[in-house]
Amino acid sequence: EAGVAQSPRYKIIEKRQSVAFWCNPISGHATLYWYQQILGQGPKLLIQFQNNGVVDDSQLPKDRFSAERLKGVDSTLKIQPAKLEDSAVYLCASSLNRVYEQYFGPGTRLTVT
Amino acid sequence: SQQGEEDPQALSIQEGENATMNCSYKTSINNLQWYRQNSGRGLVHLILIRSNEREKHSGRLRVTLDTSKKSSSLLITASRAADTASYFCATVSYNFNKFYFGSGTKLNVKP
Repeated sequence: EAGVAQSPRYKIIEKRQSVAFWCNPISGHATLYWYQQILGQGPKLLIQFQNNGVVDDSQLPKDRFSAERLKGVDSTLKIQPAKLEDSAVYLCASSLNRVYEQYFGPGTRLTVT
Repeated sequence: SQQGEEDPQALSIQEGENATMNCSYKTSINNLQWYRQNSGRGLVHLILIRSNEREKHSGRLRVTLDTSKKSSSLLITASRAADTASYFCATVSYNFNKFYFGSGTKLNVKP
């Protein structure tokens, strides 16, 4: 069974630029999550999708972050414009449904200079 | 703010010893999960315990849950150097809408 795929693995941008991350979840998984993990901290949930609907985006900085999950499969997370404090690893995860364990992708390490 | 908080923040033990990590949370949950993160394999799910369960085992892992105290513990028995990693608890809210990770316990197992 293929795991959660993410791209790119690394990205370096300057502040005020925009960036997009892509995630392909495990086939058949209804729930998809995006997390931000700053070095030394636990992952912080940014947004949770159930199929193509948003379940929770209470911690998503909506003035600069946006996410979509078209057709309930792949998802993209965008930051526009980026700030220095956005430097972090962005993790995507999927699960069969909201109560089940999550499977994580390798993450995208973003550096904003 | 995050739902779960782990204790201790860091733990260093010798190979063969047991390691215990604790997690406290704030609101009603459907289930609580433990994850491991190391540089080689990323975040990996270890075990899930439902709110109506008190104890669960998986190999060398033992998890307990006390919903009256809103706390959980993870015990790793006969630790190995390969267990060196950060361990996080995570909670699913009772209505399934909220998912929080704790701040993690960094475990170092010395060979």
